[in-house]
Amino acid sequence: DVKVTQSSRYLVKRTGEKVFLECVQDMDHENMFWYRQDPGLGLRLIYFSYDVKMKEKGDIPEGYSVSREKKERFSLILESASTNQTSMYLCASSPSGGPYEQYFGPGTRLTVT
Amino acid sequence: AQSVTQLDSQVPVFEEAPVELRCNYSSSVSVYLFWYVQYPNQGLQLLLKYLSGSTLVESINGFEAEFNKSQTSFHLRKPSVHISDTAEYFCAVCYQGGSEKLVFGKGTKLTVNP
Repeated sequence: DVKVTQSSRYLVKRTGEKVFLECVQDMDHENMFWYRQDPGLGLRLIYFSYDVKMKEKGDIPEGYSVSREKKERFSLILESASTNQTSMYLCASSPSGGPYEQYFGPGTRLTVT
Repeated sequence: AQSVTQLDSQVPVFEEAPVELRCNYSSSVSVYLFWYVQYPNQGLQLLLKYLSGSTLVESINGFEAEFNKSQTSFHLRKPSVHISDTAEYFCAVCYQGGSEKLVFGKGTKLTVNP
């Protein structure tokens, strides 16, 4: 069974902290994605990675960075968390050569106080 | 810019009633189309997809969607809904010739009442 896991379901951080959100997939997928989901705004792509050490900015990359050192792991980094980054963060993966469906993790609800 | 419009943000219906969730996309190029469902406190799951072939696609739990190229639409329908269909539904589009990213609509919250 395909699986995308995210390191935390709920996370509470303080303004200015550096925050790491981790995502791991066990399907040997080349593509991995980070989205944020906000009520009324749907899913917005933050960053996309199509291979190890390769990344591409999505629609809302400001305030975020990513790291992909291994194929199965894709990390989202908030360099200095702010309250407007309080949101649900969803990770997804898909094979390359698509179009293929994306497989989603359960999400991390981040609250920045 | 490419965009996906889900015309209704919330759709309340009674159990066993039919439902249609509308989705339109903006493009004249070839597209691949997806519907995802998100149950409370969960990630997104694929409900159905259109890649090629028959324009009518079905899911295992009774939903269907029809690709209409002339109207750039991919509406989701179910003839009789259950309480367990209560969820948020997202339409997504992948544009042929572009990257493998999906463009998502803003979602439609379907609430099925007894």
